[in-house]
Amino acid sequence: QQQVKQSPQSLIVQKGGISIINCAYENTAFDYFPWYQQFPGKGPALLIAIRPDVSEKKEGRFTISFNKSAKQFSLHIMDSQPGDSATYFCAASSNYQLIWGAGTKLIIKP
Amino acid sequence: DSGVTQTPKHLITATGQRVTLRCSPRSGDLSVYWYQQSLDQGLQFLIQYYNGEERAKGNILERFSAQQFPDLHSELNLSSLELGDSALYFCASTVGATPYNEQFFGPGTRLTVL
Repeated sequence: QQQVKQSPQSLIVQKGGISIINCAYENTAFDYFPWYQQFPGKGPALLIAIRPDVSEKKEGRFTISFNKSAKQFSLHIMDSQPGDSATYFCAASSNYQLIWGAGTKLIIKP
Repeated sequence: DSGVTQTPKHLITATGQRVTLRCSPRSGDLSVYWYQQSLDQGLQFLIQYYNGEERAKGNILERFSAQQFPDLHSELNLSSLELGDSALYFCASTVGATPYNEQFFGPGTRLTVL
């Protein structure tokens, strides 16, 4: 019940395409869902986050879609660029703990 | 630059040894998290300290321990090292105690156990 399942494990997208990464959770106590981006050799950094009172949040080319009834949320990267190549982690949080997904390695082919 | 510093950047040691990793949080942040990331693996949460007190514990081995000092820097002690402990160790800091706050990660310490 405490897991956050992230898929796919790796993803290759052509430049200009849409990258989609999915996450699912079980614990209905989770009420904060961040996405972190990690470049090789660096620590992760917060990319975008959402609360369950909204179904979508957009920041530039990055959008989180949230489906509370299905307990799923996803990250969409529009017009994907080679500079977006990184590992992406979803996470889910309650007041007490933050549970991380396993990560998705995204490669954008020029 | 996140404002979180970690030393050393690299550490090479032998099995059975003990090492100490150091983390200085961003100015004003009271909370420090420690994570382990093995090669091409996800982030494994180890432990969290808030204002000097242990707040949450993850998958931290008994051979590992941590503390946060009055000046808020934190140290992660790894003892009786095994080959499998080779990994990147990150600390992250946040202003508050709860996971709702954005975590600012340091550059990591790469530990190699030979």
